[in-house]
Amino acid sequence: QKEVEQNSGPLSVPEGAIASLNCTYSDRGSQSFFWYRQYSGKSPELIMFIYSNGDKEDGRFTAQLNKASQYVSLLIRDSQPSDSATYLCAVLLRSARQLTFGSGTQLTVLP
Amino acid sequence: DTEVTQTPKHLVMGMTNKKSLKCEQHMGHRAMYWYKQKAKKPPELMFVYSYEKLSINESVPSRFSPECPNSSLLNLHLHALQPEDSALYLCASSPSWRDTGELFFGEGSRLTVL
Repeated sequence: QKEVEQNSGPLSVPEGAIASLNCTYSDRGSQSFFWYRQYSGKSPELIMFIYSNGDKEDGRFTAQLNKASQYVSLLIRDSQPSDSATYLCAVLLRSARQLTFGSGTQLTVLP
Repeated sequence: DTEVTQTPKHLVMGMTNKKSLKCEQHMGHRAMYWYKQKAKKPPELMFVYSYEKLSINESVPSRFSPECPNSSLLNLHLHALQPEDSALYLCASSPSWRDTGELFFGEGSRLTVL
């Protein structure tokens, strides 16, 4: 079992829809969770982080964390073509002390 | 504009060459990182420097040699690389090196080894 798992996609949604990106992790004691966005040919950019169970909202982005089920998700409301990118889930595993990245989900928002 | 600057943006080298990648940050961060990223893969951690000292070396081959001359600069010296080392090399910084996932990445140096 991989330590951090994401559906690789590709995930396609129409413009204006909600895009839902999911991530599961293996280390139950992990405390910190991050979402990075990476446009094609560019470097990753931190867009959200969440430490506590529940939802955290920032503009059109909502991060959701459920530690009991060991999953974290990212919702993008009113998706725009400019949201088309690869989204990397990253977890600060208790065992690793450094970030562990998932393999990324490629999102395409269709005009 | 990114606050982590990497040079060069592109580099082509032969297997016998010696070259260096450079990274600079002016955010006062105390930790700096080198990552390697292959196409359609996540970044892989190579090295972590904290307060200018090497804190983590993820069993990287000795043909990659990191150097941290001061708290703002990070170099990666390359020697006798293999074609499979072709990748995007990302520098990142963070306020601290332990227990943090808030990384600020540079734009990367795309390396091609012939």
